[in-house]
Amino acid sequence: DSGVTQTPKHLITATGQRVTLRCSPRSGDLSVYWYQQSLDQGLQFLIQYYNGEERAKGNILERFSAQQFPDLHSELNLSSLELGDSALYFCASSPPPLRANTEAFFGQGTRLTVV
Amino acid sequence: DAKTTQPPSMDCAEGRAANLPCNHSTISGNEYVYWYRQIHSQGPQYIIHGLKNNETNEMASLIITEDRKSSTLILPHATLRDTAVYYCIVRSQTNNDMRFGAGTRLTVKP
Repeated sequence: DSGVTQTPKHLITATGQRVTLRCSPRSGDLSVYWYQQSLDQGLQFLIQYYNGEERAKGNILERFSAQQFPDLHSELNLSSLELGDSALYFCASSPPPLRANTEAFFGQGTRLTVV
Repeated sequence: DAKTTQPPSMDCAEGRAANLPCNHSTISGNEYVYWYRQIHSQGPQYIIHGLKNNETNEMASLIITEDRKSSTLILPHATLRDTAVYYCIVRSQTNNDMRFGAGTRLTVKP
């Protein structure tokens, strides 16, 4: 158990709908990262937050948005869902300071299926 | 955009050492080398990281060449449970997001 909690574990929804994925980082961690992993594909970096502020942006679609709240949990909002958005969505967290030598720990992911 | 190159797949016999190479020829002086693995569809698991010195922990050893353009992850006694996709990542101090490449699928065989 990495200490990073993602909910829900599974989500099935229809095309055109909107969903929210939630991530609770490990206690004390200030950084949160979001990734998308489509079937048999690699991990695509979406976005990173540090202490409530956006730090880095990857290949995140305009239909997707995220935020990190004052209690440090983060939400990833996916709207106007398409079949191709079906994927595993992972969240990771890492402790301060914001340096490259602090390891990040991953949650077990949310499996989103769009039908 | 991944800054690393790894072989797509490797096999290893159970009980033998698994040596997984990674090329990061464009690495900068302030960038760290990280290794993660992903077993089936579970969340990636942190293994080890280093800057320029070799590192060892309870899971693995990381050997970084002197010019830092490549590294090798060593699992000293591979078990069937080490079968996974192994990712080598370069991570900078200034922009410490982690961008994964395609990784190496390691299959440990009995």
